[in-house]
Amino acid sequence: AQKVTQAQTEISVVEKEDVTLDCVYETRDTTYYLFWYKQPPSGELVFLIRRNSFDEQNEISGRYSWNFQKSTSSFNFTITASQVVDSAVYFCALSEAGDGAQKLVFGQGTRLTINP
Amino acid sequence: DSGVTQTPKHLITATGQRVTLRCSPRSGDLSVYWYQQSLDQGLQFLIQYYNGEERAKGNILERFSAQQFPDLHSELNLSSLELGDSALYFCASSPNRGVSNEKLFFGSGTQLSVL
Repeated sequence: AQKVTQAQTEISVVEKEDVTLDCVYETRDTTYYLFWYKQPPSGELVFLIRRNSFDEQNEISGRYSWNFQKSTSSFNFTITASQVVDSAVYFCALSEAGDGAQKLVFGQGTRLTINP
Repeated sequence: DSGVTQTPKHLITATGQRVTLRCSPRSGDLSVYWYQQSLDQGLQFLIQYYNGEERAKGNILERFSAQQFPDLHSELNLSSLELGDSALYFCASSPNRGVSNEKLFFGSGTQLSVL
């Protein structure tokens, strides 16, 4: 069965620090997709990134970067030089191609607080 | 703003009652998804509709039902409500039929409180 684990329930750092959010997944499918979504205090979920299981290239987008490692079934998210606006709950999610449909399985989320 | 509209934003009701949550997808999106976010279960996929037809089902209770209308808006009906149904209910939409790699656009949710 598919499962996503975000072991860090809450993280609190001071502004400008780098922070890494961990995500470990379980799946039996060879083709699958990994996502990160952000839930700011306003409540809506905002898409950040999507990765397929055949693409292990790391990705950088501004201050955000993602490290995908199939060998350890991890898809970690790093924020460099964090800012107060990064405060939110971050969710890692998985969907399996074998499902034939978009049924995201979410981790429990990591609440990130950036203090000024 | 994702372009997905959910109403109402908040709903307070009593056990045993029935409520309807409404969702308007982004303009042009054909698929609508419903997710439930609760403290004990986290974020769970409930059901997906594509162009008016049910396409995928998740952990949706028999007391819950949904539909998608010809104008593509969707409604989630929750009946015989229990205290444990209190949660934030999200609607999401996507342009196509909802394959596994499709990016979803979420609304702000309806916070349901069952007293």
